[in-house]
Amino acid sequence: ELKVEQNPLFLSMQEGKNYTIYCNYSTTSDRLYWYRQDPGKSLESLFVLLSNGAVKQEGRLMASLDTKARLSTLHITAAVHDLSATYFCAVVMDSNYQLIWGAGTKLIIKP
Amino acid sequence: GAGVSQSPSNKVTEKGKDVELRCDPISGHTALYWYRQSLGQGLEFLIYFQGNSAPDKSGLPSDRFSAERTGGSVSTLTIQRTQQEDSAVYLCASSLFFRGSTGGYEQYFGPGTRLTVT
Repeated sequence: ELKVEQNPLFLSMQEGKNYTIYCNYSTTSDRLYWYRQDPGKSLESLFVLLSNGAVKQEGRLMASLDTKARLSTLHITAAVHDLSATYFCAVVMDSNYQLIWGAGTKLIIKP
Repeated sequence: GAGVSQSPSNKVTEKGKDVELRCDPISGHTALYWYRQSLGQGLEFLIYFQGNSAPDKSGLPSDRFSAERTGGSVSTLTIQRTQQEDSAVYLCASSLFFRGSTGGYEQYFGPGTRLTVT
């Protein structure tokens, strides 16, 4: 059974700081997604990582995938308040192509 | 183009009543998913449709929940004899479907239906 674990589940940080959210998964997969959810809103796709070593960057966010370690990271550089949201990772299950979701990381960035 | 739409956006119902939630996926997307999200929680998978294949109903929490997808497009999630624990946001997502190593399965989400059972 594919399990996806995110940590931390909650993160409060100051503006201007750097931090990393981790997403570990338990079985082989080479496709991973990061989503953002603002309070009371739906989910918005951030990054699609489709191969080992994939790195994607958008503004202050950078995501990477290491399929050998079964690990993806979402790195935040010089955080700003607008990045406050809950971030989810999701991994494709190769057997039936469904996404298995992490529990989400609630990120609060204080001005 | 148009994204995933869901209706109604909010639904308040009395315990014991039946409700129907609707999802219109992105045109051309063959895969459709229903999730449930309770307040402050993650996503709970409910059901998955892919083309003409039999749906994966493994996430439905009880036999009070059912879903259908007509013509490979619009889907309806039905909850019979609603209970207070059914209160949540119900999210629908759709995606293209690729077999093979070069494709992705990025899911596009609708705005959700907030269900409150009183």
